[in-house]
Amino acid sequence: EADIYQTPRYLVIGTGKKITLECSQTMGHDKMYWYQQDPGMELHLIHYSYGVNSTEKGDLSSESTVSRIRTEHFPLTLESARPSHTSQYLCASSEGGGGYHEQFFGPGTRLTVL
Amino acid sequence: AQTVTQSQPEMSVQEAETVTLSCTYDTSESDYYLFWYKQPPSRQMILVIRQEAYKQQNATENRFSVNFQKAAKSFSLKISDSQLGDAAMYFCAYRSAGAGSYQLTFGKGTKLSVIP
Repeated sequence: EADIYQTPRYLVIGTGKKITLECSQTMGHDKMYWYQQDPGMELHLIHYSYGVNSTEKGDLSSESTVSRIRTEHFPLTLESARPSHTSQYLCASSEGGGGYHEQFFGPGTRLTVL
Repeated sequence: AQTVTQSQPEMSVQEAETVTLSCTYDTSESDYYLFWYKQPPSRQMILVIRQEAYKQQNATENRFSVNFQKAAKSFSLKISDSQLGDAAMYFCAYRSAGAGSYQLTFGKGTKLSVIP
């Protein structure tokens, strides 16, 4: 079944650790996005990619980095986690071409940095 | 830059009743897309309904319908026969129809509670 997956769903980690949040989609979408969302709050776009080897920063400045080596995979990395990085991270994807291009969202990763 | 405003941080509705969530947006473009997304507590964000600016007919999906007023730049969501499962955060979103524009601009969201 075509879907978008995020792992881990929950992560509690200490300050200074390097972490990678995984995002994969099986829908063949060429566009992928990362959002940061505090519980019950608005979404902020932090990274997006319109295809392999193409990544851009979003509206919200983030210390994280992303890569897009394969169409289906869009991981997000924090080299040194800090308590200020505690948040929920949502991954999304959308198709190209004409039309609505609605975004499909993964279940999210809830990150807590102690 | 486009902005999306949801003026109701929280709303509540009795089960089986109707509720309307408001959304206004600011844009200078003539063609664009509008969306309502639903985010249940601790669950995945899903698309509820969508509308293209050039389509005058209001979109409808079962119990969900929109009132799209292009001149007023308003895109409200009406939920009829509310159910307990409708309790969620609802986000209004805008996307430009311009070439290469795929990013969504979201409102701050409205938290909807459904009272049994």
